[in-house]
Amino acid sequence: SAVISQKPSRDICQRGTSLTIQCQVDSQVTMMFWYRQQPGQSLTLIATANQGSEATYESGFVIDKFPISRPNLTFSTLTVSNMSPEDSSIYLCSVGSLNQPQHFGDGTRLSIL
Amino acid sequence: SQQGEEDPQALSIQEGENATMNCSYKTSINNLQWYRQNSGRGLVHLILIRSNEREKHSGRLRVTLDTSKKSSSLLITASRAADTASYFCATPRARSGGGADGLTFGKGTHLIIQP
Repeated sequence: SAVISQKPSRDICQRGTSLTIQCQVDSQVTMMFWYRQQPGQSLTLIATANQGSEATYESGFVIDKFPISRPNLTFSTLTVSNMSPEDSSIYLCSVGSLNQPQHFGDGTRLSIL
Repeated sequence: SQQGEEDPQALSIQEGENATMNCSYKTSINNLQWYRQNSGRGLVHLILIRSNEREKHSGRLRVTLDTSKKSSSLLITASRAADTASYFCATPRARSGGGADGLTFGKGTHLIIQP
């Protein structure tokens, strides 16, 4: 199964700033996914990151707020832009094929002051 | 819309007892997956049960699936303190042209095992 390294593991940021989260996979994968988990809540899919094309965003998430890069088949970044306290969440990346288990990184716990 | 809805939202039992968590979903599925999350960390995959399966076992875990009722249950037998975690069911989102498109998660059950 894929091993995913996600960093940073946590950060405390000032409002108005931006933070880029990195996700590195130990094997080439077609699809990478980014999720947000707000405090005490479940996971919500932000977007699907495709290599060589624009990310596909879910309803309620926009590229200007959560720009995503996917420069190759083993790496992706998610940027949380112009952060506000409402962005305080755990952000997780995952990989997996259709109808197969997903493998998750350990997540990035983000707090905005 | 939320695909999976778990109940109970929180469950506290004594070590050694069995824990049962339930999940309901709304649309047709190819499979249903259960995950565990310890203390806000990453998710660990537990079991995947396919739509043509009714029951699946893995160690102390037993998952059932009732597609007619659009529901699933996760049973943890002989619980241990280390089982304390949040448990989520999830169903795959398939894109119209085929291929993976992530998962839709239920709200989760927070399980506490008291020593």
